[in-house]
Amino acid sequence: QKEVEQDPGPLSVPEGAIVSLNCTYSNSAFQYFMWYRQYSRKGPELLMYTYSSGNKEDGRFTAQVDKSSKYISLFIRDSQPSDSATYLCATHGSSNTGKLIFGQGTTLQVKP
Amino acid sequence: EAQVTQNPRYLITVTGKKLTVTCSQNMNHEYMSWYRQDPGLGLRQIYYSMNVEVTDKGDVPEGYKVSRKEKRNFPLILESPSPNQTSLYFCASSLSHPSSGNTIYFGEGSWLTVV
Repeated sequence: QKEVEQDPGPLSVPEGAIVSLNCTYSNSAFQYFMWYRQYSRKGPELLMYTYSSGNKEDGRFTAQVDKSSKYISLFIRDSQPSDSATYLCATHGSSNTGKLIFGQGTTLQVKP
Repeated sequence: EAQVTQNPRYLITVTGKKLTVTCSQNMNHEYMSWYRQDPGLGLRQIYYSMNVEVTDKGDVPEGYKVSRKEKRNFPLILESPSPNQTSLYFCASSLSHPSSGNTIYFGEGSWLTVV
């Protein structure tokens, strides 16, 4: 079983739609959770960073962590064509390497 | 501007020809790391460095070497590249150990093809 699972999609939505992206993780010791956005041929860029359970909002983006079900979500409101990218969920591993454990990424296309 | 800079961005090389991918950050970060990204496998850590002269293996270190002689630079060395090292490589850095809640910044990526 992968430590972080993410549906690769692709996901296609019309402009203005609410997008929900999800990941599950296996280790209840994980505490920090991140969402990265990766445009084609670019490096991952940090979108949201959350600690433990709860919600965090930043503009059109809301990150949600439910530790009881080991489920993390990213919601995008009023989606725009510029949001078309691959979204990667990630968490810190429990080792001391500092590595991030990534999901496979979900490819999102927002059609005008 | 805060940056992690990798070179080359694109490279096609032949099996066995040694190559180095350079990585430099201008943020005075202590922690640096290399990842490779492959379809279906996602991003996996190759090597990491906590500080100058302190490096250690990640999950997929075979076939790679690194060095950290200066704080800003963390080159990835492929002594004898093989086709299974064809991948997209990312260098990353953070102020200190990432599990302290520090943001990790990624470079733009280096596309490497080994034929």
